[in-house]
Amino acid sequence: KQEVTQIPAALSVPEGENLVLNCSFTDSAIYNLQWFRQDPGKGLTSLLLIQSSQREQTSGRLNASLDKSSGRSTLYIAASQPGDSATYLCAVYNFNKFYFGSGTKLNVKP
Amino acid sequence: NAGVTQTPKFQVLKTGQSMTLQCAQDMNHEYMSWYRQDPGMGLRLIHYSVGAGITDQGEVPNGYNVSRSTTEDFPLRLLSAAPSQTSVYFCASSSGSDYTFGSGTRLTVV
Repeated sequence: KQEVTQIPAALSVPEGENLVLNCSFTDSAIYNLQWFRQDPGKGLTSLLLIQSSQREQTSGRLNASLDKSSGRSTLYIAASQPGDSATYLCAVYNFNKFYFGSGTKLNVKP
Repeated sequence: NAGVTQTPKFQVLKTGQSMTLQCAQDMNHEYMSWYRQDPGMGLRLIHYSVGAGITDQGEVPNGYNVSRSTTEDFPLRLLSAAPSQTSVYFCASSSGSDYTFGSGTRLTVV
């Protein structure tokens, strides 16, 4: 059974810092990996999708990497802003199913 | 274009009551799914459907029923609510890896 773990569970940083969120998964047989953002009381917004054959994806200040062989992904956020405060979820996808981590709650202080 | 619409947004049920959580999408997506989100556990798949008339169980299906009579709608039924079903429920639809999540239904069973 696929298990997805995210570390740390919570993170508080001052504005402007670069930061890394970590995700690990137990079964490397994945179709893709996605990073989502969740704001309080809201649904999930897809940030980055990495296909299993890819190593990384970039969107603006966000960069996600994937090392399928070691079962790891990282989400790098450059020059963090208070508007980045949210919960970030990592999910691996295979056979019509997502397996989610429990998320990292990020607080960026002004 | 409304995307994925979930109703109601909030609901309080008494133990043993039944109810249906509604989910509708207007993107003509074949695939729809239901997840529940509990504190500290991420999202877990309840049921999913790959098209009208086809449904299958996810990771935590017990206590829930689904049906898919149209492409647009995928209701989730709780036949006899239990306190363990207190959670936030998310519906999602997708075309390939492009997922859209609804904003969720917060259900409390007392």
